[in-house]
Amino acid sequence: QVQLVQSGAEVKKPGASVKVSCKASGYSFTNYGLTWVRQAPGQGLEWMGWISGYNGNTNYAQKFQGRVSMTTDTSTSTAYMELRSLRSDDAAVYYCARAPRHYFDYWGQGTLVAVSS
Amino acid sequence: QSVLTQPPSASGTPGQRVTISCSGSSSNIGSNAVNWYQQLPGTAPKLLIYTNNQRPSGVPDRFSGSKSGTSASLAISGLQSEDEADYYCAAWDDSLNGHVFGTGTKVTVL
Repeated sequence: QVQLVQSGAEVKKPGASVKVSCKASGYSFTNYGLTWVRQAPGQGLEWMGWISGYNGNTNYAQKFQGRVSMTTDTSTSTAYMELRSLRSDDAAVYYCARAPRHYFDYWGQGTLVAVSS
Repeated sequence: QSVLTQPPSASGTPGQRVTISCSGSSSNIGSNAVNWYQQLPGTAPKLLIYTNNQRPSGVPDRFSGSKSGTSASLAISGLQSEDEADYYCAAWDDSLNGHVFGTGTKVTVL
């Protein structure tokens, strides 16, 4: 069965970087893209970007351009999302999700990122 | 900043039909497919409807989606207590060159 397992919660200081991992199993990693979505406490869903599992091509949301990097390691079927220059409003739960086309059919369990001095 | 607008809340008694609207524009709903996600309290979102009206395997046929012009709707018929959740619409936006989510609707079963 398709599973996306994310890394554990993180606590970071303002200005630091965080790197969240998302390990995929149960399907051919290179046949699908992966997307990243975040959710601030009590808020809605926010799309951050997409990465191809085949060739690593990316498409980042304009809001995060220059501050986010999405990468993959096909040898371990793992995707990574790094967000730099963290601010207090980056505190959120970060989700990865498989993106077969224009929708997201399987989601990771989420990774809580806290930002506090 | 969500570009798809949903009512903040909706409610109904068990067995009733509830409808949630999602209003967008020509650059998103008007020209691309709409998807719906259900988020139960404290859990990750789950794909509920894709490509306007398709249900993934395992989603009850009580859930249905439709699209017309720059708006879309999700209907839940035969409302059940386990349907209490937040619901989000989503679509690709050609102007933003990215996905956009709706503002979210909290469904309460009275």
